[in-house]
Amino acid sequence: GENVEQHPSTLSVQEGDSAVIKCTYSDSASNYFPWYKQELGKRPQLIIDIRSNVGEKKDQRIAVTLNKTAKHFSLHITETQPEDSAVYFCAAGSRGFKTIFGAGTRLFVKA
Amino acid sequence: SAVISQKPSRDICQRGTSLTIQCQVDSQVTMMFWYRQQPGQSLTLIATANQGSEATYESGFVIDKFPISRPNLTFSTLTVSNMSPEDSSIYLCSVEKEKLFFGSGTQLSVL
Repeated sequence: GENVEQHPSTLSVQEGDSAVIKCTYSDSASNYFPWYKQELGKRPQLIIDIRSNVGEKKDQRIAVTLNKTAKHFSLHITETQPEDSAVYFCAAGSRGFKTIFGAGTRLFVKA
Repeated sequence: SAVISQKPSRDICQRGTSLTIQCQVDSQVTMMFWYRQQPGQSLTLIATANQGSEATYESGFVIDKFPISRPNLTFSTLTVSNMSPEDSSIYLCSVEKEKLFFGSGTQLSVL
């Protein structure tokens, strides 16, 4: 069945450094790739997404890249801040169809 | 975007009982989804609920255990039936409106 793999499971960086989280997906029909940030006790919040017709998207300190041929996509956070500490989930899906989530990455940003 | 109201926000239930979780959206949506998030884990899709048809369940989830209603385009319920401690989890409804948005979740503890 459909599967999304996410690495690493835990990531610790120094404040100001960059953080990169990588995901691969199995369903070649997937064309929508959102990233969610979840703080403790809160709902997942969409932080950025990318569709299969583009290879890269950037929003301030956050960027996502997509390689559809290789079926992998990545989240890049630059100039990390302590408030970036959270669990990040990648996901893959298609409009009108189910979205499958990766296992999550716990990001620690040390001040 | 979509504003999703989910209730109850949390509940503590006895083994063998059932709990119905409600999800209300501020606008009409075709697709509604129910996810489960076990402690420290990722989001697992339980089922997809479309108005006017039976819900579609994912592998490992069955209608007798998780009956779902979708009476109109803005509302859905998920019932967790005959609960056991293994059902202790966060249950999240979500809707697709160009993007995937989540309700605030229901934290369920089964004693």
